[in-house]
Amino acid sequence: DIQMTQSPSSLSASVGDRVTITCRASQNIDKFLNWYQQKPGKAPKVLIYAASSLHSGVPSRFSGSGSGTDFTLTITSLQPEDFATYYCQQSYSTPQTFGQGTNVDFK
Amino acid sequence: QLQLQESGPGLVKPSGTLSLVCSVSGDSINGSRYNWGWIRQSPGKLEWIATHYSSGNTYYNPSLKSRVTISVDTSKNQFSLKLNSVTAADTSVYYCARLAYSRGWYWFDPWGQGTLVTVSS
Repeated sequence: DIQMTQSPSSLSASVGDRVTITCRASQNIDKFLNWYQQKPGKAPKVLIYAASSLHSGVPSRFSGSGSGTDFTLTITSLQPEDFATYYCQQSYSTPQTFGQGTNVDFK
Repeated sequence: QLQLQESGPGLVKPSGTLSLVCSVSGDSINGSRYNWGWIRQSPGKLEWIATHYSSGNTYYNPSLKSRVTISVDTSKNQFSLKLNSVTAADTSVYYCARLAYSRGWYWFDPWGQGTLVTVSS
């Protein structure tokens, strides 16, 4: 199985901050990397697919980059509704696997 | 707008069978390039369980493969999950989702709201 490792596991930030979350794959996954946002008690929602493609309806302050084994999710100006947990997921091979999550909370 | 809704027992006895149904509304489950999947989440950890592709092929997580079945009922616009021989380790929130596809890329969207299944006597 491909292991997905996110860092940090949690971070504290303020509204307006630039936030960066990293995801590393245990082997090359090209650009088969998706990012999801999950709020407490809710299902995950896709933000980014194919490493850098913004899903329809997602604010442009979210962006993704990377290929191969190293990927980044960036939120350019954190908004109150962005406090949540973020997961990366590889769709390169079966079984599809997720990172352990990064919790973004108020500083 | 495509919507998914899970249903099924919230409590299953150890060694029993977990059976869940995902009802799809807003579009036909039989659409071309429509693929359907199940994912579960135990505290903080997301685990892919199975996917049914529009081709008819099914794929399972090897860690669960001997116990799990995914199937599609086009007459009811539903797909289902069966997990046999459950233990307390199978206690999780179970989500159904469409595996969306575009230009060779796959991602899960949308997801159902999730349903908690507890394995306990």
